Amino acid sequence: QVQLQESGPGLVKPSQTLSLTCTVSGGSVTSGSYSWSWIRQPAGKELEWIGLVFTSGNTNYNPSLKSRVTISLDTSKKQFSLRLTSVTAADTAVYYCARVSPFGSGSYFQYYFDSWGQGTLVAVSS
Amino acid sequence: EMVMTQSPATLSVSPGERAALSCRASQSVGSNLAWYQQRPGQAPRLLIYGASSRANGIPARFSGSGSGTEFTLTISSLQSEDFAVYYCLHYNIRPPGYTFGQGTKLEIK
Repeated sequence: QVQLQESGPGLVKPSQTLSLTCTVSGGSVTSGSYSWSWIRQPAGKELEWIGLVFTSGNTNYNPSLKSRVTISLDTSKKQFSLRLTSVTAADTAVYYCARVSPFGSGSYFQYYFDSWGQGTLVAVSS
Repeated sequence: EMVMTQSPATLSVSPGERAALSCRASQSVGSNLAWYQQRPGQAPRLLIYGASSRANGIPARFSGSGSGTEFTLTISSLQSEDFAVYYCLHYNIRPPGYTFGQGTKLEIK
């Protein structure tokens, strides 16, 4: 059973770069069926999708964050990473990493988050 | 820009009763919709995909319906562990992307 674990600093200063890593165990990160995603949740608020990386290394980002986000995949380490630049207090949130899996049958599939890390709180404060 | 609107924000229901949670899309999404459950301090859990298909291991008391712009998650005979926050999620095919609703908190009456 695949497991995901986020790691990284819990405190980042305003205007600096937030960097998190997600380590995947119990499964492959190179299977073409999957992609790998980051999602965040400010305290008491809704979930926000940040972006994802395919096993090819291609990425897609939330348009609202696209100018500040980079997600990358390191297959040798079974990790994928998030970089968010120029952070402000509005970026304070629990950050989750998740696996994106195909659901459906035949020729049509939809892709949803089926395995998640436990989440890591990142606070932006001086 | 896609907007997913859930209602009500909070729903109070007694254990053993039925709950119906609503999700409305600002434009048609076909059946590209999922439902997640999030208990306090936990990561979300996938309940329903494709608007009406239950994910592996999800009890039959959870059911999803709808297509286009109107969707419903129904939980029949609520159990204590069902009181949580529920999110709908739209999957956009091209380019791949996701939009969550703002959530409905299901609380014990």
